[in-house]
Amino acid sequence: QVQLVQSGAEVKKPGASVKISCMASGYSFTTYFINWVRQAPGQGLEWMGVINTSGGSATYAQKFQGRVTMTRDTSTKTVYMQLSSLRSEDTAVYYCARASGLFGVISPFDYWGQGTLVTVSS
Amino acid sequence: DIQMTQSPSTLSASVGGRVTITCRASQTINTWVAWYQQKPGEAPKLLIYRASSLQSGVPSRFSGSGSGTEFTLTISNLQPDDFAIYYCQQYDSISPYNFGQGTKLEIK
Repeated sequence: QVQLVQSGAEVKKPGASVKISCMASGYSFTTYFINWVRQAPGQGLEWMGVINTSGGSATYAQKFQGRVTMTRDTSTKTVYMQLSSLRSEDTAVYYCARASGLFGVISPFDYWGQGTLVTVSS
Repeated sequence: DIQMTQSPSTLSASVGGRVTITCRASQTINTWVAWYQQKPGEAPKLLIYRASSLQSGVPSRFSGSGSGTEFTLTISNLQPDDFAIYYCQQYDSISPYNFGQGTKLEIK
């Protein structure tokens, strides 16, 4: 069965960086793109960007341009999301989510990771 | 950017009842809309895609409709498990994949 398993919770100081992993299993890794979505406490869903798991290129939401980097390791079927220059407003649960369309077709997200809580506090 | 405006933000209903949630896009997006359900402490779950197509495994009491700029999610015969937060999402354009603000469905 399709699974996306994320790394554990993180506590970071303002100005630091965080790198979260998302390990995929149960399907052909390079056939589906992976998105990252975050959710601040008590707030809605915010799309951060998407990575082409085959070619490795990524598209980021303008809000996060310059601060976010998405990478992948095809040998371990793992996607990474690094967010730098953290501030308190980045405190949120971060989710990876698979785009349901094959080979990058713009599509909704059919499988989600369990979420990773990132707390930014001095 | 395509903005998605959901209403209402909160909705109260009884078990066995029927509710409708509306999502309005800031520009026409054909039928490129999805609906998700999120329960406390859990990741969102895809319910509906292409405005009206039911995701595999989702009960038929969930239905979606609409095209262009106005979309609705209807839940019939409400069950206790249905009380959650619902989000719409546009996927007409990747820049960015905006979600609605969410609608919290509460038990009356």
